[in-house]
Amino acid sequence: GNSVTQMEGPVTLSEEAFLTINCTYTATGYPSLFWYVQYPGEGLQLLLKATKADDKGSNKGFEATYRKETTSFHLEKGSVQVSDSAVYFCALTAYSSASKIIFGSGTRLSIRP
Amino acid sequence: DTEVTQTPKHLVMGMTNKKSLKCEQHMGHRAMYWYKQKAKKPPELMFVYSYEKLSINESVPSRFSPECPNSSLLNLHLHALQPEDSALYLCASSSAASEAGELFFGEGSRLTVL
Repeated sequence: GNSVTQMEGPVTLSEEAFLTINCTYTATGYPSLFWYVQYPGEGLQLLLKATKADDKGSNKGFEATYRKETTSFHLEKGSVQVSDSAVYFCALTAYSSASKIIFGSGTRLSIRP
Repeated sequence: DTEVTQTPKHLVMGMTNKKSLKCEQHMGHRAMYWYKQKAKKPPELMFVYSYEKLSINESVPSRFSPECPNSSLLNLHLHALQPEDSALYLCASSSAASEAGELFFGEGSRLTVL
């Protein structure tokens, strides 16, 4: 079946550090891939997406590239800020079940000033 | 500002109470969702409405009863809940059910069942 695996958290970094949160997926066909972010006390927000191989999604300084050969969609940011502290969810939708999004388990990120 | 509005933000209820959660969106989206989120877990899909008709029920117990009065509103009626139903309930919408990857979430209703 379709699934998403992300790195265990929590991840703690200092401000201005480089961030990578790993995400790999298992899916039949060609899924669409997403990163969502959930700030404390809020619902989830779509951060970025990629719908086909080699697409790069980007938003707010975050980037992720759809790598079909490694079935990965790692989230990166060159210089994190305290305001980036949140829980990040990698997710996919598969063509066979486009009305259902499958979330990874989430990675909690804490940024120290 | 979130474009999906949920009320109430917090709800405490006893196991014999009847209450409702409400969700509203004015983006013209034709698909609306209810998710349940426990602490430190991803959201779990409960129900999907597409064009005001229930299209997915993820085997949710009957003590949860969804309703979609019109294309902008989504309710979740609660009756005889159990303490383990305490969670954050998130409403979401998308332009269509086939665009379920691009969800707009509300801030959620935090439910405590005593």
